[in-house]
Amino acid sequence: GENVEQHPSTLSVQEGDSAVIKCTYSDSASNYFPWYKQELGKRPQLIIDIRSNVGEKKDQRIAVTLNKTAKHFSLHITETQPEDSAVYFCAASRRTGGGNKLTFGTGTQLKVEL
Amino acid sequence: GAVVSQHPSRVICKSGTSVKIECRSLDFQATTMFWYRQFPKQSLMLMATSNEGSKATYEQGVEKDKFLINHASLTLSTLTVTSAHPEDSSFYICSARWLAGGLPYNEQFFGPGTRLTVL
Repeated sequence: GENVEQHPSTLSVQEGDSAVIKCTYSDSASNYFPWYKQELGKRPQLIIDIRSNVGEKKDQRIAVTLNKTAKHFSLHITETQPEDSAVYFCAASRRTGGGNKLTFGTGTQLKVEL
Repeated sequence: GAVVSQHPSRVICKSGTSVKIECRSLDFQATTMFWYRQFPKQSLMLMATSNEGSKATYEQGVEKDKFLINHASLTLSTLTVTSAHPEDSSFYICSARWLAGGLPYNEQFFGPGTRLTVL
C-alpha cells in the first residue's frame, strides 16, 4: 500500500517568513495530493491540492509543487501569519483502484511566532 | 456546499457499552464515506471505507465486529463502537466523497469529528 512520509514534524517561523513542508510517497500510481490544515479539536480543512498532471499550483500565499519522478511534493506558505499556526497534513491517493483512499502523512506542527 | 455533519460531537460512556456515531452529507449524495481515528498529536488513520448499500471494507488491524459500519443511504453512514473500552477513546472523523462524471471525485469532505471518552 501507499506510504507517505512528512517532514519536519515541527516547524517554527517568524511572522512574515516562509514555511516549507515536504512529503514523499511510495505508490507511483498515486495521482492526487491534497494538503489539509487542522486546528486543535477541529476537522481537517483542505487548503490546496494538486493532481499528477500538474507540477505546481498556487493559491494566494499557498503553493504546492509536485515532482512525480522523485515522488515528492511540498507545501509552501509565504508571508506567514499567526493564524497559519496549526497542524498540516499531506496526503496521497489514486483516482481508480486502491479504493481511492487517502493516506496521510504524519503531520507538521507549524508555529508562527510574532 | 459539500457539508458533512457528525453527531454527537462528544460522548462519554462507561466501559462495556456501545456508542453510535452518525455521519451525514447535508447537501450532496455521498457514494463513499470513510471513517478515521485520530489519537492526540497523531495523524488520521483510516479505519474503513463505506460504500452505500454494500459492506464496509476495513483496514488491516481494524476489528470489523468491534467497529460496525452501516451505510444505509447516500447521505448517512454510522459507526458503532461495540463494547467500548478505555483504549477506544479517540477522535473519530468521517469524510464523504461523491461521484463526478461517473468516477469518484477525489476530494473528501470531512465531518467535525466525535470525541469519544470511555471511562
